[in-house]
Amino acid sequence: QVQLQESGPGLVKPSETLSLSCTVSGGSISGYYWSWIRQPPGKRLEWIGYIYYTGSTNYNPSLKSRVTISIDTSKNQFSLNLSSVTAADTAVYYCARGPAAIDYWGQGTLVTVSS
Amino acid sequence: DIQMTQSPSSVSASVGDRVTITCRASQGISSYLAWYRQKPGKAPELLIYAASNLQTGVPSRFSGHGSGTDFTLTISGLQPEDFATYYCQQANSFPPTFGGGTTVEIK
Repeated sequence: QVQLQESGPGLVKPSETLSLSCTVSGGSISGYYWSWIRQPPGKRLEWIGYIYYTGSTNYNPSLKSRVTISIDTSKNQFSLNLSSVTAADTAVYYCARGPAAIDYWGQGTLVTVSS
Repeated sequence: DIQMTQSPSSVSASVGDRVTITCRASQGISSYLAWYRQKPGKAPELLIYAASNLQTGVPSRFSGHGSGTDFTLTISGLQPEDFATYYCQQANSFPPTFGGGTTVEIK
């Protein structure tokens, strides 16, 4: 059974960079697309971007200037960096397999942007 | 971006009831639509993909229909674990976008 687990700080200061990692267990990271998705409190889900196991990426145009997603296949991990954060970036962040019809999700991690 | 509009935003129902949720896309998306169930404090779970295909392990009381711009999710015989929020997601056009959600509440 594939499992995903997010890790990273739960509190980030405004203007700083939010950094999260996702560890994939129970299966290989190779051969799949891997996404980051977020959900601000009380709001709908928002897709941030994805990375293919080869390293090719695609980002939501609304966030593209601030997002970097990377992958380390040797560690079965992929990561999210979101720069210049504001309070509007406060959300539960999920890592997931696939850009759509997402069959595996992490449990989610709340990241609060506050000084 | 393609806008996904769900209706109703919430519905009250009882165990055993039949509930239908609608999702409308702002432009045609063929059958590139998925449905998810999200329980409070949990990650979404995939129920339906490609508009009408039941994900492995999902009970047959869930069914999806539609193509183009109009889609439905029907739950035939609500169970206690089905009181949750449901989201649609389109994958026809980049970026993938989600509906605003429909909360199924206990009457």
